[in-house]
Amino acid sequence: DTAVSQTPKYLVTQMGNDKSIKCEQNLGHDTMYWYKQDSKKFLKIMFSYNNKELIINETVPNRFSPKSPDKAHLNLHINSLELGDSAVYFCASSPSGSGYEQYFGPGTRLTVT
Amino acid sequence: GEDVEQSLFLSVREGDSSVINCTYTDSSSTYLYWYKQEPGAGLQLLTYIFSNMDMKQDQRLTVLLNKKDKHLSLRIADTQTGDSAIYFCAEGLPPDKLIFGTGTRLQVFP
Repeated sequence: DTAVSQTPKYLVTQMGNDKSIKCEQNLGHDTMYWYKQDSKKFLKIMFSYNNKELIINETVPNRFSPKSPDKAHLNLHINSLELGDSAVYFCASSPSGSGYEQYFGPGTRLTVT
Repeated sequence: GEDVEQSLFLSVREGDSSVINCTYTDSSSTYLYWYKQEPGAGLQLLTYIFSNMDMKQDQRLTVLLNKKDKHLSLRIADTQTGDSAIYFCAEGLPPDKLIFGTGTRLQVFP
């Protein structure tokens, strides 16, 4: 009965490849997020969707494209991967209007070689 | 720079109280959080406290905030084996920014 799940947990790929990370939540939340963890502790928001609509789109390269097929899923597709994309990516969800009540997935560690 | 520090391990006997401590540096943080992570799972939101509060109690959980010392603690009363997990402290201004501690592994023994 995992609340927020991500797949895969680990992803190792070469520069120039295209990859996707999937996220699913079974909490019935309306809002989902993608965060990038650059350093050991700091999470910076990339995107936020509310009921399948994009509401936050921070300054990230347009090689990153989120897709929300339904409000329980928010996938992250990355084109032409670069070395600097190596990081841990976290998906999260929250009830609509309660951006401070976030539940996070376990993270996906992306390594670009 | 901004930082959140926690001790790495805590071991308690079943039935005792557990106290997990956290210190942070960013005095402008609006929310402070405690998350629980079980093996292979995501971060489950346990509780949070708004920065203008000193204490929040929720069943077996008590959160204390000392703004002067930038110290946050989580007390778990009557600790059970099911409480064994990693507990993360976090602070920030969601959803834009969150800073997590490295986590405290709580081990509960009978």
